[in-house]
Amino acid sequence: KNQVEQSPQSLIILEGKNCTLQCNYTVSPFSNLRWYKQDTGRGPVSLTIMTFSENTKSNGRYTATLDADTKQSSLHITASQLSDSASYICVVSAGNRDDKIIFGKGTRLHILP
Amino acid sequence: NAGVTQTPKFRVLKTGQSMTLLCAQDMNHEYMYWYRQDPGMGLRLIHYSVGEGTTAKGEVPDGYNVSRLKKQNFLLGLESAAPSQTSVYFCASTQKTGLLETQYFGPGTRLLVL
Repeated sequence: KNQVEQSPQSLIILEGKNCTLQCNYTVSPFSNLRWYKQDTGRGPVSLTIMTFSENTKSNGRYTATLDADTKQSSLHITASQLSDSASYICVVSAGNRDDKIIFGKGTRLHILP
Repeated sequence: NAGVTQTPKFRVLKTGQSMTLLCAQDMNHEYMYWYRQDPGMGLRLIHYSVGEGTTAKGEVPDGYNVSRLKKQNFLLGLESAAPSQTSVYFCASTQKTGLLETQYFGPGTRLLVL
């Protein structure tokens, strides 16, 4: 069964600290993996997208890693800011299927001043 | 360039009423999607379209209908609303250009069915 599991479910850190969010997936065949940021009351916004041949991709203070062998991805946030408080959603697309886009439940990140 | 817009932003319905949610995109994308997001769950695909005049069922299509008469618009209809359809509905669009396509989401429509 195609699944995307994210951990932790929620995380609280102090402003300025780093954190890492995890994503494990069982989607097959794999096409790409994306990380989205969703602010409260808003739609998800894309942070990174990676194919199986990419190990790391950065977008400012956000760095995503992908291990296609172990089917794991992580999103590392450096020097967190209050504006980073949001839900972070891992999304995996299955190849050749327009409807097989599997969303994780998200990690809710709270940044405290 | 407004991206993906949704109307209305919020709506309250009584059980049995009908309504249509409108999604519009100005990026000339071929693919459009309707999702619902419920607490504690990932986004679930209701219906999608791979081009003007086409529609297809997603994971949770029951109780919903869609139409894509124009490339830029994707309508989601609820014929007879039920409390189980209380949710936040997101529209998304994408242009398939190989493996690196990404979805652009609208701001969401919050629907409460009493």
